[in-house]
Amino acid sequence: QKEVEQNSGPLSVPEGAIASLNCTYSDRGSQSFFWYRQYSGKSPELIMSIYSNGDKEDGRFTAQLNKASQYVSLLIRDSQPSDSATYLCAVIGGATNKLIFGTGTLLAVQP
Amino acid sequence: DTEVTQTPKHLVMGMTNKKSLKCEQHMGHRAMYWYKQKAKKPPELMFVYSYEKLSINESVPSRFSPECPNSSLLNLHLHALQPEDSALYLCASSQAGLARRETQYFGPGTRLLVL
Repeated sequence: QKEVEQNSGPLSVPEGAIASLNCTYSDRGSQSFFWYRQYSGKSPELIMSIYSNGDKEDGRFTAQLNKASQYVSLLIRDSQPSDSATYLCAVIGGATNKLIFGTGTLLAVQP
Repeated sequence: DTEVTQTPKHLVMGMTNKKSLKCEQHMGHRAMYWYKQKAKKPPELMFVYSYEKLSINESVPSRFSPECPNSSLLNLHLHALQPEDSALYLCASSQAGLARRETQYFGPGTRLLVL
């Protein structure tokens, strides 16, 4: 089992719709969770961090964490073509404190 | 300011060359990281420096040699690389290193091509 799992996609949504990106993790001791956005050929850019169960909102982005289910998600409201990128879920492992990345979900927002 | 800078942006080198990648941050962070990223894969951790000391080496081949001259600077010295080492090399920094709630901020990367 991979430590951090994401559906590789592509996830295709129409402009203006809500994009829902999902991630599961295996280490129950994990306490910190991050979403990075990476455009093709560019470096990862931090979008959200979340540490507690529940929702955290920042503009059009909402991160959701459920530690009991070992699940973290990112919702993007009013999706724009400029949101088209790979979204990397990353988790700080409980044992090593290293940042572990999922393989990323490619999001394509269709105009 | 969450800026991490890296130079050069692009690098082409032969297998017998020696080159260096440079990374700099002015956020007062005390931890700096090197990652390697191949196409369509997530970043892979190579090295971690915390308070200018090497704290993690992820069994990286000795042809990659990291150096942390001070808390703001991180270098990666390259020697006798192989074509399979071609990748995007990412530098990141965080406040203190390997703490449970630390956020890592990434630089723009150096795109390396080994011929």
